[in-house]
Amino acid sequence: ETGVTQTPRHLVMGMTNKKSLKCEQHLGHNAMYWYKQSAKKPLELMFVYNFKEQTENNSVPSRFSPECPNSSHLFLHLHTLQPEDSALYLCASSLRRGNQETQYFGPGTRLLVL
Amino acid sequence: GESVGLHLPTLSVQEGDNSIINCAYSNSASDYFIWYKQESGKGPQFIIDIRSNMDKRQGQRVTVLLNKTVKHLSLQIAATQPGDSAVYFCAENFSNAGGTSYGKLTFGQGTILTVHP
Repeated sequence: ETGVTQTPRHLVMGMTNKKSLKCEQHLGHNAMYWYKQSAKKPLELMFVYNFKEQTENNSVPSRFSPECPNSSHLFLHLHTLQPEDSALYLCASSLRRGNQETQYFGPGTRLLVL
Repeated sequence: GESVGLHLPTLSVQEGDNSIINCAYSNSASDYFIWYKQESGKGPQFIIDIRSNMDKRQGQRVTVLLNKTVKHLSLQIAATQPGDSAVYFCAENFSNAGGTSYGKLTFGQGTILTVHP
């Protein structure tokens, strides 16, 4: 276990549904991230939160809406998704300290959009 | 148009052999590098890291080598075991002039390592 948990682990949703992914880190980190991992593609950074403030939105469609209520929790709210959004969604956290910043990943949520 | 998926490089080795996984990184300003291992159904797991002021770093059964001249990174796994079978990713990070990370890792496409008993 890396100290980063994600729920649910698997999710199937229709294009009209609204769902949320949850991430929690127990490492005392101050930065959290959402990544998308599609088959045969490199990991794609979606959002970065530093001390609860969003510092990066990597041109993500508005049907993905992140929320970071505190440094330990991160959500990804999903609505009106498309089938091409089916992927593994990974949460990570890190301790912002100089340039040696290792990100630790959760197990991911496997999302299927029908 | 249709996007073209990546064909991940693959490496097949026998149990007990040494494995070398290579990575070419893109940004000459990158100053911190990480290797991750991702097993099926799991998130990437940290293996070892190295800063740009080093050429080599050793861990338990793993060694990372950095060649900044040609922007090349390698991961060496000694006495490879079946449990080492996974996808291995390199990631690069760079800092601002003040030495603070931007926190944006750029990942390579990954290499599939298969270890045969």
